[in-house]
Amino acid sequence: QSVLTQPPSVSGAPGQRVTISCTGTSSNIGAGYDAHWYQQLPGTAPKLLIYVNNNRPSGVPDRFSGSKSGTSASLAITGLQAEDEADYYCQSYDSSLGGSVFGGGTKLTVL
Amino acid sequence: QVQLQESGPGLVKPSETLSLTCTASGGSISTSSYHWGWIRQSPGKGLEWIGSIYYSGTTYYNPSLKSRVTMSVDTSKNQFSLKLSSVTAADTAMYYCVRHVWHSGWFYFDYWGQGTLVTASS
Repeated sequence: QSVLTQPPSVSGAPGQRVTISCTGTSSNIGAGYDAHWYQQLPGTAPKLLIYVNNNRPSGVPDRFSGSKSGTSASLAITGLQAEDEADYYCQSYDSSLGGSVFGGGTKLTVL
Repeated sequence: QVQLQESGPGLVKPSETLSLTCTASGGSISTSSYHWGWIRQSPGKGLEWIGSIYYSGTTYYNPSLKSRVTMSVDTSKNQFSLKLSSVTAADTAMYYCVRHVWHSGWFYFDYWGQGTLVTASS
């Protein structure tokens, strides 16, 4: 059981918009710690997708956006493309556990 | 652009110590801007942060692994290393070396190695 809760899977048709939630608690996201998102394409290492809640590294398309509110964070992907099919993970810090915590990951399927 | 490459044995016997090294290229690990560390992913499972080290030697370890983890840095070789003692089958995982960015009290991870699979088995 991961400290940050994500839906196991989401899906959408090409061109559609999908969102992936990341629900935390008062000792992590709810305590004000930032949320970050990673994309893991099949057979590859994770890649930083969104940092500090809503910032994109250079090279990440603006179809990807992040937000944070209360004890949760969200990743939105618009204009869904086949190449977006991957696992997505959220990450934050947990003050009770004293270290980085990740969500269990969400598998995005492009129909 | 920073590149990270893990190296070390792919097979470790139970109760023995797992040892991995990460070599950084395209940038110095002696920079004040970043920490360096390790994250693992068990087969078919999610991600687990193992720990972080600064070039000065300051470390942060996952409390759940702290009693078994030792990290070190060799700035002359632009390398940092991980040792995990008393391994069991539960330590079988893909191990990634990662560059850590400090922001507002903790890290995010902006560069990852390709990963190395370590299997704990006799």
